[in-house]
Amino acid sequence: LAKTTQPISMDSYEGQEVNITCSHNNIATNDYITWYQQFPSQGPRFIIQGYKTKVTNEVASLFIPADRKSSTLSLPRVSLSDTAVYYCLVGDATSGSARQLTFGSGTQLTVLP
Amino acid sequence: EAGVAQSPRYKIIEKRQSVAFWCNPISGHATLYWYQQILGQGPKLLIQFQNNGVVDDSQLPKDRFSAERLKGVDSTLKIQPAKLEDSAVYLCASSLDRGGNYGYTFGSGTRLTVV
Repeated sequence: LAKTTQPISMDSYEGQEVNITCSHNNIATNDYITWYQQFPSQGPRFIIQGYKTKVTNEVASLFIPADRKSSTLSLPRVSLSDTAVYYCLVGDATSGSARQLTFGSGTQLTVLP
Repeated sequence: EAGVAQSPRYKIIEKRQSVAFWCNPISGHATLYWYQQILGQGPKLLIQFQNNGVVDDSQLPKDRFSAERLKGVDSTLKIQPAKLEDSAVYLCASSLDRGGNYGYTFGSGTRLTVV
């Protein structure tokens, strides 16, 4: 199972772009990269998933370099409501086993006014 | 679309008592998961169901935890007897496909406190 490393915490100001990088040096060929967001007293919420290059949706962008050993979640123009824990998961989403997708401790993003 | 429903929202019990949690997944989602989230940590998978069959329960402490998913829809997770270290949030999630290719949808969880 691929191990991920993320910063424990990050601070940003409203209106700024935030980039959270996740390191996954032993990512396997079949592994996907998935990011979740979790607010206090709620379950995690799926943000974005990708395999290579760049993926963009209405919430965020995910940048994956060619070697796939890291990935960066980009949140454009954050607001106070983006304060949350962000989890990077790496695993074979096609394997059929959720045990392939392990949550680490995540990155606590705090957006300041 | 209705989300994943869980109840109760909070539960306080004494150690050695039993407790049960209920989950109703999103309609049409064949795969259901139970996670345990201890304060300050990420969620940890306890068990995964595909319809009413178990896909993975390797991380479920089977001496005290049990789970079932009758008729492939609702699910219950039970702890008997509870220990202090079982204090955590128990999250239920569901997904359209077995691999979670489009992500899992989580409920808000049940916060269990064992005293």
